[in-house]
Amino acid sequence: GNSVTQMEGPVTLSEEAFLTINCTYTATGYPSLFWYVQYPGEGLQLLLKATKADDKGSNKGFEATYRKETTSFHLEKGSVQVSDSAVYFCALSRRGYQKVTFGTGTKLQVIP
Amino acid sequence: DTAVSQTPKYLVTQMGNDKSIKCEQNLGHDTMYWYKQDSKKFLKIMFSYNNKELIINETVPNRFSPKSPDKAHLNLHINSLELGDSAVYFCASSQDYRGGDSGNTIYFGEGSWLTVV
Repeated sequence: GNSVTQMEGPVTLSEEAFLTINCTYTATGYPSLFWYVQYPGEGLQLLLKATKADDKGSNKGFEATYRKETTSFHLEKGSVQVSDSAVYFCALSRRGYQKVTFGTGTKLQVIP
Repeated sequence: DTAVSQTPKYLVTQMGNDKSIKCEQNLGHDTMYWYKQDSKKFLKIMFSYNNKELIINETVPNRFSPKSPDKAHLNLHINSLELGDSAVYFCASSQDYRGGDSGNTIYFGEGSWLTVV
């Protein structure tokens, strides 16, 4: 079956630090990969996505590259801000499949 | 305009009561979902409807009953509430669960915080 594994949190960083949140997946075929962000008290919202190998998704300074050889989709940001404090979910969808598979979420806390 | 809206946002109720959460999407999507998020932020799919047809029904107690009067609405009714039902319930939608070249992007509502006392 499909699965997504992401690093456990919480991750605590100082403002302007470099961020990496690891995500690896298991799926047959060519899934689409996503990062969602959940700010406190809100629902999840799409942060970025990539739909084929070697694609890079980017948004709000965040980036992730679809690496089929390592089945990974790690989230990175060069300089985090306090406002980036949230829970980040990695996810995958497969064409024709009814379910989107979500990871367990990684809480990021950025301190001034 | 809110894309996926659900009401109420907060709900505190006693054990044994019956409650409903309503959801509407104005995105013109064909597929709608209910997810449950626990206190550790773990997200679990409960139900999914595509054009009013049930396509996902996870192992959920039959006290939970979804109803989709049309493809823009998916309501969740819960009978005989238990302490363990306390969680955040998210309604969501997507263009079509089958996805396509751009994948199946899910659009979430703001959540309904249910507390059973």
